[in-house]
Amino acid sequence: GAVVSQHPSWVICKSGTSVKIECRSLDFQATTMFWYRQFPKQSLMLMATSNEGSKATYEQGVEKDKFLINHASLTLSTLTVTSAHPEDSSFYICSAGGGLFDTQYFGPGTRLTVL
Amino acid sequence: QKEVEQNSGPLSVPEGAIASLNCTYSDRGSQSFFWYRQYSGKSPELIMFIYSNGDKEDGRFTAQLNKASQYVSLLIRDSQPSDSATYLCAVIGEGGTSYGKLTFGQGTILTVHP
Repeated sequence: GAVVSQHPSWVICKSGTSVKIECRSLDFQATTMFWYRQFPKQSLMLMATSNEGSKATYEQGVEKDKFLINHASLTLSTLTVTSAHPEDSSFYICSAGGGLFDTQYFGPGTRLTVL
Repeated sequence: QKEVEQNSGPLSVPEGAIASLNCTYSDRGSQSFFWYRQYSGKSPELIMFIYSNGDKEDGRFTAQLNKASQYVSLLIRDSQPSDSATYLCAVIGEGGTSYGKLTFGQGTILTVHP
């Protein structure tokens, strides 16, 4: 199957700092990437849809100025959590693929802890 | 009614038994259906996808789709303790703001006991 990587796998940062998470499709080109967040024992929550070369589309309630998404190439999307606060601590997961009949493959996730 | 509903869990089966996971969806126009497995603390892993009515088999896994009944299922034969996880049914959105996005069911927790 297709392989999606994320870096870093975990990060601890101080409140007020920014954190960048990378999502890469290693063996296929992904025109669409998705960013999810998952809190303990809860369902995946879609944050935004990212298309190569265009602005990301954010789900209702997700602050676009706080969660900056860049999809510069067909294999790389980044999520930057700006001015992180403890309530942003969560498991962030990307997926690549998308579109009708396209299968989404998930990255291994990034666990963010904000102190 | 939720867009994607899974049978309430948790589901517990003995090792070697068949585990049956069920899912219904509300959008009759849905075309693409997926089963993901998620171990605790890990990201979802694709198990199967199915587009056509009928059965699709891959090793110990069989996905079944009945579009008329708006029903998708996943059978796991010869269940192993390593199959213990949360199983997520997902449907791709066909139009509007849901186009291309996955809608997940609430998940069914499966435990396979030795």
